[in-house]
Amino acid sequence: KQEVTQIPAALSVPEGENLVLNCSFTDSAIYNLQWFRQDPGKGLTSLLLIQSSQREQTSGRLNASLDKSSGRSTLYIAASQPGDSATYLCAVAYNAGNMLTFGGGTRLMVKP
Amino acid sequence: NAGVTQTPKFRVLKTGQSMTLLCAQDMNHEYMYWYRQDPGMGLRLIHYSVGEGTTAKGEVPDGYNVSRLKKQNFLLGLESAAPSQTSVYFCASSYGRTDQETQYFGPGTRLLVL
Repeated sequence: KQEVTQIPAALSVPEGENLVLNCSFTDSAIYNLQWFRQDPGKGLTSLLLIQSSQREQTSGRLNASLDKSSGRSTLYIAASQPGDSATYLCAVAYNAGNMLTFGGGTRLMVKP
Repeated sequence: NAGVTQTPKFRVLKTGQSMTLLCAQDMNHEYMYWYRQDPGMGLRLIHYSVGEGTTAKGEVPDGYNVSRLKKQNFLLGLESAAPSQTSVYFCASSYGRTDQETQYFGPGTRLLVL
């Protein structure tokens, strides 16, 4: 059974700090890896998708990396802002059709 | 373009009652998914569909049934609700054809079973 783990479960940082969220997965034969953002009481919004053949993806202040051999991905957030406060979810697709296995999420709070 | 919508937003059921959750998407996506989200457990796939008229079981299918009679709609049914089915339910959709395609999520349905 594939498992996806996110550490830490919660993180609180002061505004302006650079931070890293971690995701690990047990089976390296992935199809793609995705990072989502979830605001309280809302649905999920896709942030970045890394294909199996890629090592990283960037969007604005966000950078996600993928190391299949070690079963790890990181989401780097530069110059954090209070508006970045949310839960960040990592999810892995193991086949075409994109059925996702999710981690438990990291709840991020950025304090002004 | 509404994206993915879910009906209802919130519902309270008594144990043993039945209900249907409706998901609709206007993006002409082939694939649709139902997940449940419980505290500390992330999202878990209940059922999914790879096209109109097809459905398949996900990780936690017991106690749920689904139907995909129209491409744009995916229904999740609870025949006899149990307190263990108290959760937030999310529907998602995608083209599902390549490894570059993400899923688009609805806003969720909060279900409380007493």
